[in-house]
Amino acid sequence: AQKVTQAQTEISVVEKEDVTLDCVYETRDTTYYLFWYKQPPSGELVFLIRRNSFDEQNEISGRYSWNFQKSTSSFNFTITASQVVDSAVYFCALSVYNQGGKLIFGQGTELSVKP
Amino acid sequence: DTEVTQTPKHLVMGMTNKKSLKCEQHMGHRAMYWYKQKAKKPPELMFVYSYEKLSINESVPSRFSPECPNSSLLNLHLHALQPEDSALYLCASSHSRVEEKLFFGSGTQLSVL
Repeated sequence: AQKVTQAQTEISVVEKEDVTLDCVYETRDTTYYLFWYKQPPSGELVFLIRRNSFDEQNEISGRYSWNFQKSTSSFNFTITASQVVDSAVYFCALSVYNQGGKLIFGQGTELSVKP
Repeated sequence: DTEVTQTPKHLVMGMTNKKSLKCEQHMGHRAMYWYKQKAKKPPELMFVYSYEKLSINESVPSRFSPECPNSSLLNLHLHALQPEDSALYLCASSHSRVEEKLFFGSGTQLSVL
């Protein structure tokens, strides 16, 4: 069975602080995909990144960076110099190959960035 | 056009009503999804359509009836719902149903009285 754990339910930071959102996943499959989605108060989930299980290279996109470590089954997300607009719920998700694209979501981390 | 459009944005219905939720995309995606999200919870998959055929039904009660009239449209017909069905219903689409990133609509907030 597959599982995604986001242990941090809520995080509150002050603007310009760096913040890391943790994600730990479980799967016995060797081919899988990991995602991060952002859900602002408006409701729609916004795709941030996808990583496949064969690509452990870390990625940076502007203020966002992701650290994928298969050895610890983790896919952590760091926001550098956080801004008020980063306030949202962030979901980590797992998709296993040949299961029809079903996304298994973590419980989400609600990030609040205060001015 | 990279949008998934859902209507209505809000819906209030009684337990004996029949209503429909509508979802539309014009990105040429061939996979479309319905998710249900309760407050403070992650989305839960309900249905997946691939090339206009129902490919996944996550044991959803029959009071929810999906329909995919064409590759751009996805409907969710509601009948005899219960108050516990109140939730945010999200539609999503992707190029195919395998491992692709999903594009989500902003959802329909449903309240069942």
